[in-house]
Amino acid sequence: NAGVTQTPKFRVLKTGQSMTLLCAQDMNHEYMYWYRQDPGMGLRLIHYSVGEGTTAKGEVPDGYNVSRLKKQNFLLGLESAAPSQTSVYFCASSYRYRVTYEQYFGPGTRLTVT
Amino acid sequence: GQQLNQSPQSMFIQEGEDVSMNCTSSSIFNTWLWYKQEPGEGPVLLIALYKAGELTSNGRLTAQFGITRKDSFLNISASIPSDVGIYFCAGQLMNRDDKIIFGKGTRLHILP
Repeated sequence: NAGVTQTPKFRVLKTGQSMTLLCAQDMNHEYMYWYRQDPGMGLRLIHYSVGEGTTAKGEVPDGYNVSRLKKQNFLLGLESAAPSQTSVYFCASSYRYRVTYEQYFGPGTRLTVT
Repeated sequence: GQQLNQSPQSMFIQEGEDVSMNCTSSSIFNTWLWYKQEPGEGPVLLIALYKAGELTSNGRLTAQFGITRKDSFLNISASIPSDVGIYFCAGQLMNRDDKIIFGKGTRLHILP
């Protein structure tokens, strides 16, 4: 089991460029999440999905879009990158039911927007 | 929005000392989770708590689900250098089974 994987690990963008971050999980989890982590801010939820074909906004959704076409994949898109989106992005996944609300995290993508 | 207040923000302790940290909120939680994050890695789950008053251990780590359901505590006994990292609490709010919210973390430093 690879768990949760993220690609790429690092990326540098220029303001206005677009990119897609890919998250994949092999644990058959229903729920998937995208967070950003900034110094002193903890983990802030961007978007999440409770199942294939569904997405919902989190705490800081502006400037991001997501898609969940397959259960195992969750994509995070930046259409027009801004310096304020420089951050470390983490994907996580979890089962739906009380079996666990425990989220399992990927290793992160470090994004710099210049 | 809902908030978790995690304290302290950072700690400097001597190797071998015990550590205590906590999370509090004005909201009621059904689940409390404690994570550890090491540099360059994603958070890793340490302990999950599902019942008010529950006390759960994982090696030298012990966490408790507060009786009021509004707080949780994490203790680390006899700290060692590999305990260095950021510890996050996270809670699942009552009536919200789709997501959890995170505290801002406690950064643990261990002095030799």
